[in-house]
Amino acid sequence: AQKITQTQPGMFVQEKEAVTLDCTYDTSDQSYGLFWYKQPSSGEMIFLIYQGSYDEQNATEGRYSLNFQKARKSANLVISASQLGDSAMYFCAMREGEDSGAGSYQLTFGKGTKLSVIP
Amino acid sequence: EPEVTQTPSHQVTQMGQEVILRCVPISNHLYFYWYRQILGQKVEFLVSFYNNEISEKSEIFDDQFSVERPDGSNFTLKIRSTKLEDSAMYFCATTWIDGVYEQYFGPGTRLTVT
Repeated sequence: AQKITQTQPGMFVQEKEAVTLDCTYDTSDQSYGLFWYKQPSSGEMIFLIYQGSYDEQNATEGRYSLNFQKARKSANLVISASQLGDSAMYFCAMREGEDSGAGSYQLTFGKGTKLSVIP
Repeated sequence: EPEVTQTPSHQVTQMGQEVILRCVPISNHLYFYWYRQILGQKVEFLVSFYNNEISEKSEIFDDQFSVERPDGSNFTLKIRSTKLEDSAMYFCATTWIDGVYEQYFGPGTRLTVT
């Protein structure tokens, strides 16, 4: 089974509108972390936002917020007021193994969603 | 802001040749990682390195691959005999497990095997 599922291969959004990128995850750990990264066409991986499994509040970073629904195992990224520069691939990722402290904390990535912002 | 650096940015090599990809982690970070992204696909974990030894590796990380930290600053990934299917972007990432959970990625090395 996929540990991270991103069901939207591609999304379009009008400039200045909000957009939600979906991510569901699968883990049996109680303690884990969820991440979103942006990958523009230049190829680098840019960290956007992090949500810990025990965090009760949804994470926010500027125009990015993470809609964390633990019971549904979903961690959707919401981008408000989209800009042309937001056009990129977006990857959801999970880190497990935090419970025992014995994990190496590597990330498991989803297949990504290509977001295109339309002027 | 501290950053992870990687060299070279692009490497072209012939099949069967050895390549070494280099990474300079953020200085106070403890965990180092290599990931691979084949063009158009998702990022895949290769190996993690902690306290001067491999802590975990994926099934991709076979005997052709090795990692080391030769001088306390650089972190290298060596592919002994490259294959066409090794063509990918290779990312180094580092993190410091102390309540700071962001994994910092380097800009990547694009490896092209011909």
